[in-house]
Amino acid sequence: AQKVTQAQTEISVVEKEDVTLDCVYETRDTTYYLFWYKQPPSGELVFLIRRNSFDEQNEISGRYSWNFQKSTSSFNFTITASQVVDSAVYFCALTTSNFGNEKLTFGTGTRLTIIP
Amino acid sequence: DARVTQTPRHKVTEMGQEVTMRCQPILGHNTVFWYRQTMMQGLELLAYFRNRAPLDDSGMPKDRFSAEMPDATLATLKIQPSEPRDSAVYFCASGSPGGAIYDTQYFGPGTRLTVL
Repeated sequence: AQKVTQAQTEISVVEKEDVTLDCVYETRDTTYYLFWYKQPPSGELVFLIRRNSFDEQNEISGRYSWNFQKSTSSFNFTITASQVVDSAVYFCALTTSNFGNEKLTFGTGTRLTIIP
Repeated sequence: DARVTQTPRHKVTEMGQEVTMRCQPILGHNTVFWYRQTMMQGLELLAYFRNRAPLDDSGMPKDRFSAEMPDATLATLKIQPSEPRDSAVYFCASGSPGGAIYDTQYFGPGTRLTVL
């Protein structure tokens, strides 16, 4: 069974502060994929990043960065110099490449509020 | 800018009525997923298709829900008869361009269903 835990239900920070969203996952598969999605107030789910289990290289995209550590089964997401537009619910998700079992298992989400 | 489209965006209906939700996957994507989002259950998979064939519909209440892909450009999710507990946001996602076994799932804007 797969499980994704996002222990932070809600986070509020003042604009321009850095913030890290935590994600811990559980899986028995050796090949798996991790994702972050953003759900702004408008409701759509926006893909942010995908990481394969065999690629532990951290990634940076503008103000966003991701830290993948297999040793602690974590895939944390950091926003640097936060902006009001970053206010959203962020979901971490996990799936495998097993045929017939490719569903995304989502965490419960972290609601991020950036205070102007 | 290729996107998954869903119609209708909002639907209010009365208990017992039939509801049909439609999804147009991104052109070339051969895998289509239906997810449901509720406050209590979060995001959960209802069913998914590859090359129009159902691969997993274990998350779907069989007595009232049905999912089909009449052709490669249209997926439908029907509820008959609808019940108040079906009130949720229903998301369609597509992925696996070129027949890859697994790829990123891109989500549509969702259909917000309210059953009175």
